[in-house]
Amino acid sequence: NAGVTQTPKFRVLKTGQSMTLLCAQDMNHEYMYWYRQDPGMGLRLIHYSVGEGTTAKGEVPDGYNVSRLKKQNFLLGLESAAPSQTSVYFCASSGVRLPPGQENEKLFFGSGTQLSVL
Amino acid sequence: LAKTTQPISMDSYEGQEVNITCSHNNIATNDYITWYQQFPSQGPRFIIQGYKTKVTNEVASLFIPADRKSSTLSLPRVSLSDTAVYYCLVGPLNTGFQKLVFGTGTRLLVSP
Repeated sequence: NAGVTQTPKFRVLKTGQSMTLLCAQDMNHEYMYWYRQDPGMGLRLIHYSVGEGTTAKGEVPDGYNVSRLKKQNFLLGLESAAPSQTSVYFCASSGVRLPPGQENEKLFFGSGTQLSVL
Repeated sequence: LAKTTQPISMDSYEGQEVNITCSHNNIATNDYITWYQQFPSQGPRFIIQGYKTKVTNEVASLFIPADRKSSTLSLPRVSLSDTAVYYCLVGPLNTGFQKLVFGTGTRLLVSP
């Protein structure tokens, strides 16, 4: 049981390049999320998904696109990378709520992707 | 959404008990209080969650007064490995976590 897996772990891009970050979860969770974390700041929600085939904007969605074609995968795309998108990106997932005390009331995070845009 | 306020940083020594308080004056009736821990270069991980009174697990205790306007995360006998950032989140749990806001958290430094 791997939990939430993010690939790649590190990436360096030049301004204007595009890339896709992949998040995979093996817990059959309904909800998936993409966050970014900048130095000295908490996590900010970029986009999220409440189920296969659905996506929605979070707090800081500009410059990013997402897709959830399969329940276990959530992709984050940067169409034209900018230096302001240099950050650590975290994916997370959570399940449909069960009675108190159940595992699904937690957010499960991946180990992050360090992205630098030069 | 309930806004949370917690200290930016705290210092402690090994073996001491650490209490981190989070204020959430406008907590709603259906909101839960959840604490996460984040080590450098890792994603946050769940520590403890509660609605009222006291919750205890193998890692920490969570104290919530009757008015629920604040909560205290208690870490017994901390060690160097407890050095991390601790986040207090307040919000409903029955519609996913997209409404929960991670603030800057409390940076705990445990020294020998």
